[in-house]
Amino acid sequence: ETGVTQTPRHLVMGMTNKKSLKCEQHLGHNAMYWYKQSAKKPLELMFVYNFKEQTENNSVPSRFSPECPNSSHLFLHLHTLQPEDSALYLCASSRSAGGSDTQYFGPGTRLTVL
Amino acid sequence: AQSVTQPDIHITVSEGASLELRCNYSYGATPYLFWYVQSPGQGLQLLLKYFSGDTLVQGIKGFEAEFKRSQSSFNLRKPSVHWSDAAEYFCAVGGNAGNMLTFGGGTRLMVKP
Repeated sequence: ETGVTQTPRHLVMGMTNKKSLKCEQHLGHNAMYWYKQSAKKPLELMFVYNFKEQTENNSVPSRFSPECPNSSHLFLHLHTLQPEDSALYLCASSRSAGGSDTQYFGPGTRLTVL
Repeated sequence: AQSVTQPDIHITVSEGASLELRCNYSYGATPYLFWYVQSPGQGLQLLLKYFSGDTLVQGIKGFEAEFKRSQSSFNLRKPSVHWSDAAEYFCAVGGNAGNMLTFGGGTRLMVKP
């Protein structure tokens, strides 16, 4: 596979469930990102990892827990979510962290919290 | 703080007509500017990027954008729209020194036959 892949593509979970989103990049990049895309709101940056180290956490609630075991893989662990957390979660990667390098996006995971 | 404004939430054009999507940004230094396109159910795909040099940038799918520093704008254009161009378009600004990308709210383009 090439580019950035995300699994699952769709996820429905109850408020008491625990689930994980997975992202994998095949581009040899060093930085990875999680974004949240909700209807009628701009894309929101959640977390940034650079060389496996978290460099940004934009005041994201603790019910979202990221994990980056290596530069190619990024996870988002979810627990006790709220209905307002329903959104498209996008993963991206770039050569280096920041706003100067092009970010390449995966197709996203459509999350519905019941 | 940096910001991006896309004044048009929705735009409808006829197939074959020309297109211009507006983007205004606020950034304190030399900006890196991007246009991305998102088709339904998909992630964002880069159309083009500006960081220096010629202020008219060519991208994929026949798109171009012009950087105008005096107007803090980076408008996207296409001379003749195809039905497959119907999608949502996002402008973004970033920069050096660790400044992350900031996205605009997006413009949804609809194409009439």
